[in-house]
Amino acid sequence: DAKTTQPTSMDCAEGRAANLPCNHSTISGNEYVYWYRQIHSQGPQYIIHGLKNNETNEMASLIITEDRKSSTLILPHATLRDTAVYYCIVRSGNQAGTALIFGKGTTLSVSS
Amino acid sequence: GAGVSQSPRYKVAKRGQDVALRCDPISGHVSLFWYQQALGQGPEFLTYFQNEAQLDKSGLPSDRFFAERPEGSVSTLKIQRTQQEDSAVYLCASSFGSGSSYEQYFGPGTRLTVT
Repeated sequence: DAKTTQPTSMDCAEGRAANLPCNHSTISGNEYVYWYRQIHSQGPQYIIHGLKNNETNEMASLIITEDRKSSTLILPHATLRDTAVYYCIVRSGNQAGTALIFGKGTTLSVSS
Repeated sequence: GAGVSQSPRYKVAKRGQDVALRCDPISGHVSLFWYQQALGQGPEFLTYFQNEAQLDKSGLPSDRFFAERPEGSVSTLKIQRTQQEDSAVYLCASSFGSGSSYEQYFGPGTRLTVT
């Protein structure tokens, strides 16, 4: 079962920042937080991941709380093309080949 | 560069037929995963390869499902005697390394419809 809790859906106006929350209160010290998104009829797309520190790349920023029990994915300037299902995934670092366990994700709708 | 590719993109099979789904991972990627995604659900893990070795097949739903990666690159997922409940999108993902710090990159999937 997925170890994360996300809101079912969120709305965002084009050009504004989209802040997607995720709760993972049972996360262990060696588990990573991963974010993927899936645009309709496409395969999941990797966005970002982190262990303890905040991370930023060209797509998004990942803010992880100090106790690591929750995180927020930030899309700084949402566009219509960011409309997708966003998955927050906790992934064990214990062994090789650990699969991604997808929950239901958050459906983000960006409108003009 | 080239991403993960899968073929065919769409497959319609009559119940009882055998099907073979192909995955071409990103060149040099050690790890390869297969997932199954039912309509309206998130992807679910099927099996994992590290190079040519199938190290985890715990997610395969029945012995009708078989996967191989004989030379450590291209992989094939075979489903024998297809059933209607096998209708789903089959996704392949690859990653450079085998640890959990390595992100997985997904292909576009093969949509299988069993009639």
